[in-house]
Amino acid sequence: AQKITQTQPGMFVQEKEAVTLDCTYDTSDPSYGLFWYKQPSSGEMIFLIYQGSYDQQNATEGRYSLNFQKARKSANLVISASQLGDSAMYFCAMREPPDKLIFGTGTRLQVFP
Amino acid sequence: GAGVSQSPSNKVTEKGKDVELRCDPISGHTALYWYRQSLGQGLEFLIYFQGNSAPDKSGLPSDRFSAERTGGSVSTLTIQRTQQEDSAVYLCASSLIMGVVFGPGTRLTVL
Repeated sequence: AQKITQTQPGMFVQEKEAVTLDCTYDTSDPSYGLFWYKQPSSGEMIFLIYQGSYDQQNATEGRYSLNFQKARKSANLVISASQLGDSAMYFCAMREPPDKLIFGTGTRLQVFP
Repeated sequence: GAGVSQSPSNKVTEKGKDVELRCDPISGHTALYWYRQSLGQGLEFLIYFQGNSAPDKSGLPSDRFSAERTGGSVSTLTIQRTQQEDSAVYLCASSLIMGVVFGPGTRLTVL
């Protein structure tokens, strides 16, 4: 069974607009962490944001915020004020005890002027 | 060093040869992960090490793949009798508590 599901293979957004990338997860463990990574065409994996399962507030990092809905088991990434440089693949990942880190299949975001 | 390093950055080999890929994690990071990423695909989990615990090898695709981590630091991923379908980017990552930091990857091409 898929542990991490990203249902949007591709997304388009106009520059300066906000975009939400979906991620749902499946775990029975109460303690877990959720990550989002950006992978530009250069191939490097860039850490964006982290949300712990016990965190009370949604994580935010600059223009990135994580819309964490625990009961729905979703951890959507919201990018505000999109920039052309945001065009990349975005991966959602979950780490559950003891420490295994599993990735979704990714969403390709394209920002157009 | 400041980040995770991997070597070589590129490796071209002939089908049937063995290859070794190296990962130097961030000093002090107890967890080390290996992933494989085929062209245009997601990250496929291969193996991970956590401290002195037995590694989780559940993602290794066949017995031609093996990995070790010496002294809780450097890790080597070995692929024996390489096949063309092994061609991919092999990514290593390390972690202490929360942050998981990736290396630049090794691009393996099997001819």
